[in-house]
Amino acid sequence: RKEVEQDPGPFNVPEGATVAFNCTYSNSASQSFFWYRQDCRKEPKLLMSVYSSGNEDGRFTAQLNRASQYISLLIRDSKLSDSATYLCVVNQGFQKLVFGTGTRLLVSP
Amino acid sequence: DGGITQSPKYLFRKEGQNVTLSCEQNLNHDAMYWYRQDPGQGLRLIYYSQIVNDFQKGDIAEGYSVSREKKESFPLTVTSAQKNPTAFYLCASRSQGNEQFFGPGTRLTVL
Repeated sequence: RKEVEQDPGPFNVPEGATVAFNCTYSNSASQSFFWYRQDCRKEPKLLMSVYSSGNEDGRFTAQLNRASQYISLLIRDSKLSDSATYLCVVNQGFQKLVFGTGTRLLVSP
Repeated sequence: DGGITQSPKYLFRKEGQNVTLSCEQNLNHDAMYWYRQDPGQGLRLIYYSQIVNDFQKGDIAEGYSVSREKKESFPLTVTSAQKNPTAFYLCASRSQGNEQFFGPGTRLTVL
């Protein structure tokens, strides 16, 4: 089993749609969690950290379920500019980050 | 502007040559990291350094070497011993909040 698993997609959605991605992780001792966004041939950029209580940043909402060992990202009112690959990232301690392979999102007009 | 810079953006190497990729940060972060990314795969950790003059092997260190003589700089050398060096190389540094921030990357191609 991979340490961090994501559905590779692509998720094809129209502008204005709501889309959700899930990510599962295998190490129950994982300490912190992040979502990064990566555009084609660019570096990953931090989108948001994921807290146990869940957190929201504008149109983006992240949630953590430690019991089931999954993380989710919800994007509301999708924009064309949201088209990218979304990476689920898990900190397993000693500052070691484990990256998922990413979920590709395509938002169409 | 604070940030992480990497150079060069593109690098071509002949088989058997060593090459060094530059990574500099002015964020005053102690910890720095090198990853490689291959198509369809997640980022994989090559080396990391938590403090000046100290560094640790990551998951795929074979064929690579690093140094950390200054807080701002963490260069990566890809040696001829690395069997499949063509990849996208990303350098990152870590904030006190445990978030990692990436440089723009170097695309290395072996001819």
